[in-house]
Amino acid sequence: AQSVTQLGSHVSVSEGALVLLRCNYSSSVPPYLFWYVQYPNQGLQLLLKYTSAATLVKGINGFEAEFKKSETSFHLTKPSAHMSDAAEYFCAVSGRNQGGKLIFGQGTELSVKP
Amino acid sequence: DTAVSQTPKYLVTQMGNDKSIKCEQNLGHDTMYWYKQDSKKFLKIMFSYNNKELIINETVPNRFSPKSPDKAHLNLHINSLELGDSAVYFCASSQDTVAAVTDTQYFGPGTRLTVL
Repeated sequence: AQSVTQLGSHVSVSEGALVLLRCNYSSSVPPYLFWYVQYPNQGLQLLLKYTSAATLVKGINGFEAEFKKSETSFHLTKPSAHMSDAAEYFCAVSGRNQGGKLIFGQGTELSVKP
Repeated sequence: DTAVSQTPKYLVTQMGNDKSIKCEQNLGHDTMYWYKQDSKKFLKIMFSYNNKELIINETVPNRFSPKSPDKAHLNLHINSLELGDSAVYFCASSQDTVAAVTDTQYFGPGTRLTVL
């Protein structure tokens, strides 16, 4: 069985500050991990994914995430927040023989203050 | 060109009615999905098709019936709509997730269904 927990349903940062969105997973098989972003009234867009290659994954818009097996974590970071980063962020897990099934966390809403 | 498109964008209907949501992708992908996002923004997969074959069928009421006339289309028909069906429904597609589970899924803009 697989599951994802995102700590904090809402995170608020100032423009230019570090963004840290937390994701912990549970998986009985080697996990594949994803971060998606959803802007208001839009569909989801992939930010980055971990597919068992490099543990530090770089994505679009300056985001990156590090897979830490010992901590079962895949936290998303960005060194300097921009106003345009305000959105809902979803962590998701999948695994081999899952047919591409993504199991999502409950989402974290990121607000960026000027 | 829109990669994954859905129609309609908004759907307001009465309880007990039957409605359909259409999805089309022009990416040449083999696999398509339906997800439901509830009022708390929780996303859950409903179905997936690979080359018109049903692959994933989650514990969804059988009032929901997906239909894939070809690999570029995956429609969702809902019978006897209930209040609890109100949600945003997202269609997605990927290259061939049956063979490559790490393929990126591309999402449509969503259909907001409101059942009165």
